[in-house]
Amino acid sequence: KAGVTQTPRYLIKTRGQQVTLSCSPISGHRSVSWYQQTPGQGLQFLFEYFSETQRNKGNFPGRFSGRQFSNSRSEMNVSTLELGDSALYLCASSFGTSGANVLTFGAGSRLTVL
Amino acid sequence: KNEVEQSPQNLTAQEGEFITINCSYSVGISALHWLQQHPGGGIVSLFMLSSGKKKHGRLIATINIQEKHSSLHITASHPRDSAVYICAGYQNTGNQFYFGTGTSLTVIP
Repeated sequence: KAGVTQTPRYLIKTRGQQVTLSCSPISGHRSVSWYQQTPGQGLQFLFEYFSETQRNKGNFPGRFSGRQFSNSRSEMNVSTLELGDSALYLCASSFGTSGANVLTFGAGSRLTVL
Repeated sequence: KNEVEQSPQNLTAQEGEFITINCSYSVGISALHWLQQHPGGGIVSLFMLSSGKKKHGRLIATINIQEKHSSLHITASHPRDSAVYICAGYQNTGNQFYFGTGTSLTVIP
């Protein structure tokens, strides 16, 4: 069965722009969670969506937002990009909520902000 | 201080050696995940456990809830085990993940 698909894989933006990343989960999985990975901070939890509802959010500013559609596909948006937003953004899907279930990760979207 | 601490940060082993990576956490968690990340970025979930011990092939994960400690063991290590191993605790009350900083493992043939 198909894995978790993230698009785009690579993108370059400039400061002040906004970006939208997409995550298509494994068929049947209802939870999509998002993570930011940087060399300095490591992996950090962004937010989780389950059945189109945001369950929780990590310690990130309001510029980071997301949503989930009825087919469980999820998007995350970062507005007013800053240099520090350069990172690998990963999503993971699971059948149940992320904490209590095995996660399947996508390959990530690598964002560079110039 | 991080909510989740891993040790060691870096580890080099000879092929065939038994490897242990440790994870301690200071917050109450309901589950602990062990993740593997190879160079290039892809992350694979190895284990999700809330108590006791799990085994998959040459990998064993244990957790002691009272002591707030988990270990990942690799038996008969192989160069293909070279990767970064990350533990992550999930806190039920806040529905929040806390990640360790990772252990970089290199297995030399």
